[in-house]
Amino acid sequence: QKEVEQDPGPLSVPEGAIVSLNCTYSNSAFQYFMWYRQYSRKGPELLMYTYSSGNKEDGRFTAQVDKSSKYISLFIRDSQPSDSATYLCAMSARSGGGADGLTFGKGTHLIIQP
Amino acid sequence: DTGVSQNPRHKITKRGQNVTFRCDPISEHNRLYWYRQTLGQGPEFLTYFQNEAQLEKSRLLSDRFSAERPKGSFSTLEIQRTEQGDSAMYLCASSSTKRGLAEQDTQYFGPGTRLTVL
Repeated sequence: QKEVEQDPGPLSVPEGAIVSLNCTYSNSAFQYFMWYRQYSRKGPELLMYTYSSGNKEDGRFTAQVDKSSKYISLFIRDSQPSDSATYLCAMSARSGGGADGLTFGKGTHLIIQP
Repeated sequence: DTGVSQNPRHKITKRGQNVTFRCDPISEHNRLYWYRQTLGQGPEFLTYFQNEAQLEKSRLLSDRFSAERPKGSFSTLEIQRTEQGDSAMYLCASSSTKRGLAEQDTQYFGPGTRLTVL
């Protein structure tokens, strides 16, 4: 079993829908949680950074962390075709990754249909 | 300074050849990471520098791989005697531990170098 599990999709939704993306993890030492967006053949771009359990909102994006269930989510409201990309969850035990780097999920390929 | 830059963006080489990639981090960032990403997978951690010191190496980093960060600025990743299994996107990321900096400790990624070994 991998440390971080993420459904690779593809996930296809109509424009304007609310999108829910999720990851589960097994390492209880993880405390820092991130979501990155990656367009085809580009580097990952940071969307959200959260510490421990709770919610964080930034514009159309909301990140949720439930450490008791080892489950994190990213919600995208009013989805746009430009949101079509691969969404990667990442996590670490130390702030910023420290010497261990970040542990990533496989990424979910999201398609927003116009 | 607009972000992390990597060169070259693409590299095609023949099996057995040596290749070297360069990463220029965001100027105030003292931490630098290398990752490898294969198709359909998330990035996998390879190695980590704090300033010029290489403090951690993943078991993924075989003896054919070597990384340097002279003077704590840019970094190079060299692969000797390339194999077809080395074909991947090599990503560099940087972050800062300096307090007060926006998004302290957050890793920012470059565009990557795509390596194809024939």
